[in-house]
Amino acid sequence: GAVVSQHPSWVICKSGTSVKIECRSLDFQATTMFWYRQFPKQSLMLMATSNEGSKATYEQGVEKDKFLINHASLTLSTLTVTSAHPEDSSFYICSTKRSGRGNEQFFGPGTRLTVL
Amino acid sequence: ELKVEQNPLFLSMQEGKNYTIYCNYSTTSDRLYWYRQDPGKSLESLFVLLSNGAVKQEGRLMASLDTKARLSTLHITAAVHDLSATYFCAVNDSGTYKYIFGTGTRLKVLA
Repeated sequence: GAVVSQHPSWVICKSGTSVKIECRSLDFQATTMFWYRQFPKQSLMLMATSNEGSKATYEQGVEKDKFLINHASLTLSTLTVTSAHPEDSSFYICSTKRSGRGNEQFFGPGTRLTVL
Repeated sequence: ELKVEQNPLFLSMQEGKNYTIYCNYSTTSDRLYWYRQDPGKSLESLFVLLSNGAVKQEGRLMASLDTKARLSTLHITAAVHDLSATYFCAVNDSGTYKYIFGTGTRLKVLA
């Protein structure tokens, strides 16, 4: 497998503030990472594909100006939730893709965001 | 557009019993993955199925893939309480690296 970390593991913020979540690939260089969002008792929904050195590709319905993704190095992608609102409260999970083995993705431990 | 459905959504079963979870998907794909999620946690990889007819087993769990029927099954044998969790299948959207997740099956094994 692969080792993926996220930081922070949980965060509580006030409405209107911005929150940055980090996703690190610890044991290989990842040109592609993915960001998912999971609301309580629901499935994972892909938000965007993060590409090292280029702009992220956002899924339909995800506001790119609200969810800023930066993939400046081969081991780090960041997701910034700007002007957070209570409806942004969710579990955010990142993953990395490793070539070979059927392009299997390896998931981070997740970050729980609560917006008050 | 690829859609992935699982059934049942909820499953309550007695210890020692057998049951099967189904994952159906709508368009061609030959890569399917099964994950387990415990409450408040991220995903734990269970199985990677990469071809038609693939069958993999680990302990009390066995997964199979029929790409012609666009169906994967996760079979539970002699369930134990520790298997209580939510199980997700995910299908690789052909031509991309993206995963589309199933709706999830929340399993509760009663002692």
